[in-house]
Amino acid sequence: DAKTTQPNSMESNEEEPVHLPCNHSTISGTDYIHWYRQLPSQGPEYVIHGLTSNVNNRMASLAIAEDRKSSTLILHRATLRDAAVYYCILRPYSGAGSYQLTFGKGTKLSVIP
Amino acid sequence: DTGVSQNPRHKITKRGQNVTFRCDPISEHNRLYWYRQTLGQGPEFLTYFQNEAQLEKSRLLSDRFSAERPKGSFSTLEIQRTEQGDSAMYLCASSARDSSPLHFGNGTRLTVT
Repeated sequence: DAKTTQPNSMESNEEEPVHLPCNHSTISGTDYIHWYRQLPSQGPEYVIHGLTSNVNNRMASLAIAEDRKSSTLILHRATLRDAAVYYCILRPYSGAGSYQLTFGKGTKLSVIP
Repeated sequence: DTGVSQNPRHKITKRGQNVTFRCDPISEHNRLYWYRQTLGQGPEFLTYFQNEAQLEKSRLLSDRFSAERPKGSFSTLEIQRTEQGDSAMYLCASSARDSSPLHFGNGTRLTVT
């Protein structure tokens, strides 16, 4: 399985931007980079995904390095509701690995009021 | 979109008893997944259904575990002769296609005493 490496924890002040890094040096050409987050006492929630180009949606932005060996999830203004564990996952476009999401331990984001 | 629904939210059982959990996916989703999550860890894949067919089972799914999805709608996960090591959060997810984001329920927390 393609692996990702994330810091165990990060802190951010409320209303400031947050940059959550992820390293994936063994990424293959057909792997999409997915981000999910898990709020306390809830199931994981899809955040964003991308292949090569930077992506934006209403929740976050995803910046992907040119060599695709790393990516950064950007929360533009952290709120207390963004405190969660954030998972960076590599997911093949098709085939068996496309449905079997492999979660690591993720990054626990704390937001300070 | 009513989301993925899981019942019960909590289950406490004595070692050796059988338990059954239910998952109702998003109605138009024909892919259904079960994951297990222990404290401090990311979710681990257990099994995957496409409509009523169970297409993949993890090695984590021992003989005491069985999952069904009759008629390709709701799914049940049964654990026979529960052990203390089965204590975990059991998460269900659904998606429209293999490459689509997964939508997770809020899980069933099992405690085996």
